[in-house]
Amino acid sequence: QLQLQESGPGLVKPSETLSLTCTVSGGSISSSSSYWGWIRQAPGKGLEWIGSVYYSGGTFYNPSLKSRVTISVDTSKNQFSLKVSSVTDADAAVYYCARVYAVDTGMVRTPGYFQRWGQGTLVTVSS
Amino acid sequence: DIVMTQSPDSLAVSQGARATINCKSSQSVLYNSNKKNYLAWYQQKAGQPPKLLIYWASTRESGVPDRFSGSGSGTDFTLTISSLQSEDVAVYYCQQYYSPPFTFGQGTRLEIK
Repeated sequence: QLQLQESGPGLVKPSETLSLTCTVSGGSISSSSSYWGWIRQAPGKGLEWIGSVYYSGGTFYNPSLKSRVTISVDTSKNQFSLKVSSVTDADAAVYYCARVYAVDTGMVRTPGYFQRWGQGTLVTVSS
Repeated sequence: DIVMTQSPDSLAVSQGARATINCKSSQSVLYNSNKKNYLAWYQQKAGQPPKLLIYWASTRESGVPDRFSGSGSGTDFTLTISSLQSEDVAVYYCQQYYSPPFTFGQGTRLEIK
């Protein structure tokens, strides 16, 4: 049974960098049928896709966050990571990592639906 | 960006009755070359992460009860719960994966009347 677990600081100071890691167990992060994604949910709000990474390192980012976001993968540790720089109050949210089923869109394999989610981790932004 | 709009925002249905949630995309999410609709539905119960219910607009994820069904094509989609159970109280989201940024609807809160 594939499981995902987020880890990282729950408190980040304004203007600093938020860093989270997702550890995948029960399956390989190097699966060609998977992307790995990050989604966030501000308190009482809806879901916002942040970005997704393929095991080869290829990425898709939400343009609204692209200038501040880096998602990377470490296949040796079966982990992928999220960094969000220059955080503000607006970045306070529950951050979820997820296994994303890869779908075929023309000649390209792109991120599809979010098939399995971690439990989420709450990140607060405060000095 | 493709904007996903759900209706209604909230819904109260009697136990055992049918619940219907609608989702409309600002442009078609039907990929003509494979005739697939790039749309998924999720259920989020209080304090839990979202759970995938439906993908390709109408394919039920393994383990999801058959009272959940998805329909629609192009820009208009529906999630139907044929006989509402108490454990179905949740917020439901649609999501398009046709083109990035991959966007969600605002959510529909479903309660028991």
